[in-house]
Amino acid sequence: DTAVSQTPKYLVTQMGNDKSIKCEQNLGHDTMYWYKQDSKKFLKIMFSYNNKELIINETVPNRFSPKSPDKAHLNLHINSLELGDSAVYFCASSPWTGGNEKLFFGSGTQLSVL
Amino acid sequence: AQKITQTQPGMFVQEKEAVTLDCTYDTSDPSYGLFWYKQPSSGEMIFLIYQGSYDQQNATEGRYSLNFQKARKSANLVISASQLGDSAMYFCAMSFTGNQFYFGTGTSLTVIP
Repeated sequence: DTAVSQTPKYLVTQMGNDKSIKCEQNLGHDTMYWYKQDSKKFLKIMFSYNNKELIINETVPNRFSPKSPDKAHLNLHINSLELGDSAVYFCASSPWTGGNEKLFFGSGTQLSVL
Repeated sequence: AQKITQTQPGMFVQEKEAVTLDCTYDTSDPSYGLFWYKQPSSGEMIFLIYQGSYDQQNATEGRYSLNFQKARKSANLVISASQLGDSAMYFCAMSFTGNQFYFGTGTSLTVIP
């Protein structure tokens, strides 16, 4: 039973389209994250939610909108996709603590914008 | 602002030898966690080892050990007896109160047979 699952694994789309990536965790964790990994493998935090509330919102274009319907789900919606959005997007979760718990990662979504 | 630096973009090691991957960090927070993750070519992120800022002993997990030097703000990963399957990207990461979690730029390790 996968702990953090994200779908789809691959997403190929045209510029200007709107797409969503879904993430679910069955670990009972309070905190969920979205990370973007670019072509140079740099992992940049985009958003962090704790119990459905946004706690970290790094400098991300407002075309990216996270949605957390409950603490087990954190979806990422992207409007008006651009070529530069092509990357691997990772969902992750962790317990809410003093920052000493590891992240559990999903398997990633490879987004290709043509 | 918190900062994590991995100065080695690429490293090579002979199979069965030990290798050290460097990580330095900069923070004024007294409480933080240090982590290492492995990302093989298949893309998944694999947790390797954790060190808390108040831990007195260096963390060890099998062939992995973390050389924690708090005064120098370094948290180097040591892999002993390298195996071909250790070839991967390795990321150092820090976490802070409030579950803020940031990654370094990564080191690509290649194990040579």
